[in-house]
Amino acid sequence: DAKTTQPNSMESNEEEPVHLPCNHSTISGTDYIHWYRQLPSQGPEYVIHGLTSNVNNRMASLAIAEDRKSSTLILHRATLRDAAVYYCILRDIGSGTASKLTFGTGTRLQVTL
Amino acid sequence: DSGVTQTPKHLITATGQRVTLRCSPRSGDLSVYWYQQSLDQGLQFLIQYYNGEERAKGNILERFSAQQFPDLHSELNLSSLELGDSALYFCASSAGTVQETQYFGPGTRLLVL
Repeated sequence: DAKTTQPNSMESNEEEPVHLPCNHSTISGTDYIHWYRQLPSQGPEYVIHGLTSNVNNRMASLAIAEDRKSSTLILHRATLRDAAVYYCILRDIGSGTASKLTFGTGTRLQVTL
Repeated sequence: DSGVTQTPKHLITATGQRVTLRCSPRSGDLSVYWYQQSLDQGLQFLIQYYNGEERAKGNILERFSAQQFPDLHSELNLSSLELGDSALYFCASSAGTVQETQYFGPGTRLLVL
């Protein structure tokens, strides 16, 4: 599986936008970029995913670099409930085991008042 | 609430023992995945079942086994337990085997003493 690199931790103030970066320089043409997050004492939950174009949903936005070697998860207004570990995951649609999720160490986001 | 249920929530047992963890997927989901989360290894994929058949295997020890029953619930059996098996075990489900969102349960926390 192609590898992703994320900062170990980030801090944000409540109500401020947060940009969580992810580097994936060895991404292949068939890799989708997925983001999941894990709130304290809970299982991971899906946030957003994309292939080439930027994506928006009710939770967040995903900005994908033109060369696809990096992406940024954007939380437009962080709240205390967004404090979690955020995982950037590549999923290869060409692989026979495309469905598994390969988690890295993620970015621990701390949100303060 | 993801719709995925796991029982029990907590389990304390002794080394050498055997335990069974149970997972009920979201209604209509055919795929079930098991993941292990430990402090030193992070979140790791163990095994996937699709409609009763094993579909993919990850870093699952030979002492561990799983199955998916006709009603689509799944069980993860852990035997000859060691201290290092203490971890959170998550079950996730999705509708099929392609790149759909995985929905995670709340996990079972296993403590081996």
